[in-house]
Amino acid sequence: AQSVTQLDSQVPVFEEAPVELRCNYSSSVSVYLFWYVQYPNQGLQLLLKYLSGSTLVESINGFEAEFNKSQTSFHLRKPSVHISDTAEYFCAVSGYNFNKFYFGSGTKLNVKP
Amino acid sequence: SQTIHQWPATLVQPVGSPLSLECTVEGTSNPNLYWYRQAAGRGLQLLFYSVGIGQISSEVPQNLSASRPQDRQFILSSKKLLLSDSGFYLCAWGQLNYGYTFGSGTRLTVV
Repeated sequence: AQSVTQLDSQVPVFEEAPVELRCNYSSSVSVYLFWYVQYPNQGLQLLLKYLSGSTLVESINGFEAEFNKSQTSFHLRKPSVHISDTAEYFCAVSGYNFNKFYFGSGTKLNVKP
Repeated sequence: SQTIHQWPATLVQPVGSPLSLECTVEGTSNPNLYWYRQAAGRGLQLLFYSVGIGQISSEVPQNLSASRPQDRQFILSSKKLLLSDSGFYLCAWGQLNYGYTFGSGTRLTVV
């Protein structure tokens, strides 16, 4: 079985500062990894994913995440955040059959002016 | 293109009343479908998933049930709602090599 741990429930940061949202997973099998973003009262949107290949994956809005197999981590980073990045971020893991996804408890990113 | 529809957006129901939330998918066939619940201050809890018509897997024993009467329709139901059923309910479909696509969610308040 897989599980996901997001170590920080809330991360406050000032605008234009860098940020890292941490995600660790446990699994006895190879996995796929995802980050989703949720704005208030909305569904979740896929931010980026790691399936195979390069361990560094990027999104269109400046976020990136690096798959580290030895540390079983998939931390999300952004070098300079904007007010519009304020949202809740969820890390998720899936086995290769894609039948079930397991989500972390979420990290609320609060970007302050 | 594939889209997922979920309704209603908000719902206020008294304790003991029935519930029916519907989710439909367009632009794909035989999708894996999921119901999640997001309670205040908590993460996403997988409630049910379905890999085909009439095939329902329950993750957590509770006051809810799910049905899949058609390939692209997934329904979440309850005969009698409890206060603890309040939350944000999300439908999703899973796509191989892509991940989940989520509906916009239903905010259920049981009063």
